[in-house]
Amino acid sequence: AQSVTQLGSHVSVSEGALVLLRCNYSSSVPPYLFWYVQYPNQGLQLLLKYTTGATLVKGINGFEAEFKKSETSFHLTKPSAHMSDAAEYFCAVTHRGRTGANNLFFGTGTRLTVIP
Amino acid sequence: NAGVTQTPKFQVLKTGQSMTLQCAQDMNHNSMYWYRQDPGMGLRLIYYSASEGTTDKGEVPNGYNVSRLNKREFSLRLESAAPSQTSVYFCASISRRDFTGELFFGEGSRLTVL
Repeated sequence: AQSVTQLGSHVSVSEGALVLLRCNYSSSVPPYLFWYVQYPNQGLQLLLKYTTGATLVKGINGFEAEFKKSETSFHLTKPSAHMSDAAEYFCAVTHRGRTGANNLFFGTGTRLTVIP
Repeated sequence: NAGVTQTPKFQVLKTGQSMTLQCAQDMNHNSMYWYRQDPGMGLRLIYYSASEGTTDKGEVPNGYNVSRLNKREFSLRLESAAPSQTSVYFCASISRRDFTGELFFGEGSRLTVL
């Protein structure tokens, strides 16, 4: 069964500092991997995804993530944090349901605070 | 474009009352999903509909029922609400169930059960 672990429910960084949000997954088959962001009182929106091909994936707002199969990781990074990056971030992995249809299985989320 | 629209946005119920959360998407997507979001637990899948005419249970289906009314609409019903169902509910849709596309979310429905 697929599962996702996000290390650190809260991460604080200074404005301009590196952002690193960690995600590890377990999967019996090569998964599709995603990062979603949720701003206060809003739904989730896609930051980036890995399906196949290049393992370094670039997303919106300067974020990127690298799929490392040997480490079963898909960590999210951004070189320089901006105040507008303050939000909750969710890592997700595809999961095949009982009927064979794919579903998306989410981690518990990491709340990012950016300190001026 | 409206995308995914959920109603109501806020609702307060008493224990034992029933209600239906409505969801509609205007993107001609095949698959639709209902999640609940609770602090420290992320999003958990309640029910999904891989295509029109089909529904299936997710991780936490107990106490809920769903109806895929047509390709656009997917409703979630609480027959007898319990305080444990206090949560924020999100509807989502995607064009292809292999997730090569993007899962689009509504803005959420905040439900409080007293």
